[in-house]
Amino acid sequence: EVQLVESGGGLVKPGGSLRLSCAASGFTFSTTWMAWVRQAPGKGLEWVARIKSHVAGGTLDYAAPVKGRFSISRDDSENILYLEMNSLQTEDTAVYFCATGAPTSGSLFDLWGQGTLVTVSS
Amino acid sequence: ETVTTQSPDTLSVSPGERATLSCRASQSVSSQLAWYQQRPGQAPRLLIYAASTRATGIPARFSGSGSGTEFTLTISSLQSEDFAVYHCQQYNNWPPTFGQGTKVEIK
Repeated sequence: EVQLVESGGGLVKPGGSLRLSCAASGFTFSTTWMAWVRQAPGKGLEWVARIKSHVAGGTLDYAAPVKGRFSISRDDSENILYLEMNSLQTEDTAVYFCATGAPTSGSLFDLWGQGTLVTVSS
Repeated sequence: ETVTTQSPDTLSVSPGERATLSCRASQSVSSQLAWYQQRPGQAPRLLIYAASTRATGIPARFSGSGSGTEFTLTISSLQSEDFAVYHCQQYNNWPPTFGQGTKVEIK
């Protein structure tokens, strides 16, 4: 079965850190571009970060609000995507989804996980 | 950044009726526009890409149209499972951006 399963969310204080994981199965993870997209409570979707496949150069890209604080990475031997989040702010509170980039365009998201909730609060 | 705006914010429709949702981009995105459905508590699901191509397994009652800056998602006859939030997303310009979502609710 093709699926993505996120984990690692939770409650963290402002200024704290958290690492999210996304376990992939049912498709060739190593050649797939991957992304994180978040959704703040009651709000729309916001693209957060993208990592290309190694064969495509492994380029990392970040949305302006998280650049310098978040780090996306991948382990192709374990089929896991990561998002390391540092210096967390209250506005980072959201459900974080991992998603696959479609073969035709890495910015078109054709498979999504169920999401993991990150709450930043004192 | 390309700003993507959806209208209306909420659409009240009776089962069996047609629903028409709009999405506008602040600059041309060619036909690189997608629609996603998100049911309560669930992940988004890709419905339409390239403005008018249905994703695998999506029923024919869902159709998309438009190009440039104006796009439309039409649900021809609403079924109970179609009451959800719909998001549009442009992927032509960097970074990819989403609209704020349109909630389709039962009238």
